[in-house]
Amino acid sequence: DGGITQSPKYLFRKEGQNVTLSCEQNLNHDAMYWYRQDPGQGLRLIYYSQIVNDFQKGDIAEGYSVSREKKESFPLTVTSAQKNPTAFYLCASSLAGLLAKNIQYFGAGTRLSVL
Amino acid sequence: DQQVKQNSPSLSVQEGRISILNCDYTNSMFDYFLWYKKYPAEGPTFLISISSIKDKNEDGRFTVFLNKSAKHLSLHIVPSQPGDSAVYFCAASHTGGFKTIFGAGTRLFVKA
Repeated sequence: DGGITQSPKYLFRKEGQNVTLSCEQNLNHDAMYWYRQDPGQGLRLIYYSQIVNDFQKGDIAEGYSVSREKKESFPLTVTSAQKNPTAFYLCASSLAGLLAKNIQYFGAGTRLSVL
Repeated sequence: DQQVKQNSPSLSVQEGRISILNCDYTNSMFDYFLWYKKYPAEGPTFLISISSIKDKNEDGRFTVFLNKSAKHLSLHIVPSQPGDSAVYFCAASHTGGFKTIFGAGTRLFVKA
């Protein structure tokens, strides 16, 4: 089955700790994205990557870091610099280029809470 | 500044009736609009889209209408079914761009 897998489903972070959220896709998509969802708000873009070894900051990148060493994988690290990390995190992927029509395919999400 | 707004946090509709979900946007550069549906504990899934060169797109029970002059789009679901109960996100982008702006979502309840 093709799709996007996010893990873990739930994650707890202690003060001063970095945590990494995993995102893997087997859709052969070039582009991948990380979003954050807070109650009553839309999905806000953290980082996106159009191609392996390249990524760009989204609207709320501060306190987060990413890597894109493989086409299939786009892990997100929530660093200790992110002072309000409690949120629902969604990873997505899409084809690249004009024919993609910006349709994104999402994982089931990771809920991060602070202990 | 919210570029895509869904002003109704929730909507309740009787089964078999029409559901109308609304969305407003502010950026004139947007030329492609999408609706996503999200069930609890799942990621959003693409539902239907519309290009700015059209004013209507239909797919089965789902129809999206676009009013460019008013910067407004709406999703009509006819007839509504209990399985349609979910959160619906409106999203906007421009062709070839990688950034998509999402609204806050509208939770639809379809009562049997």
